[in-house]
Amino acid sequence: EPEVTQTPSHQVTQMGQEVILRCVPISNHLYFYWYRQILGQKVEFLVSFYNNEISEKSEIFDDQFSVERPDGSNFTLKIRSTKLEDSAMYFCASSRQGRNEQFFGPGTRLTVL
Amino acid sequence: SQQGEEDPQALSIQEGENATMNCSYKTSINNLQWYRQNSGRGLVHLILIRSNEREKHSGRLRVTLDTSKKSSSLLITASRAADTASYFCATDWNDYKLSFGAGTTVTVRA
Repeated sequence: EPEVTQTPSHQVTQMGQEVILRCVPISNHLYFYWYRQILGQKVEFLVSFYNNEISEKSEIFDDQFSVERPDGSNFTLKIRSTKLEDSAMYFCASSRQGRNEQFFGPGTRLTVL
Repeated sequence: SQQGEEDPQALSIQEGENATMNCSYKTSINNLQWYRQNSGRGLVHLILIRSNEREKHSGRLRVTLDTSKKSSSLLITASRAADTASYFCATDWNDYKLSFGAGTTVTVRA
């Protein structure tokens, strides 16, 4: 069964450093998403991406964040200058269309020191 | 906020018993999805119910949706130890994002 995959599973970085989180969505899916979950808190929407552009973003997704689909398979989330409060589990998800099931990857645990 | 809110926050049951959890939300939705998360792991999609559906089944799972009350329920029948997890409802009220609740933590005792 096709799955969303994410790398790395755990990323440790120093405050102020740039990180890139990588995702491979399910191959025939057209919509891609990033969510995050701070430890003990709700899963929060960050951004959605369709047809090579951002469809919607939350207030969390400020100028420090960017997304890219550099090729036909990868979908990346970049945090330009990490802050302590960026420490969280970051989930990538994909869906075949809007209003369909969103399938989530296993997550990348980002720790900012 | 559109976020769904689950009730109860925590549930402890004996293996073989049924577990029921509820989700309430605030505005009109396209669909409502239920997810399971084992501790520290990813979100596993369980079931999607559309706004024009009232009930859906998948294996031991039964989901209902009452749009007039803006609520949904998830029933897990004949629970197993492996069902121990957190369960989240997520509402889709536009095409592009899900709003998650805080979840119900279910513990199934052997």
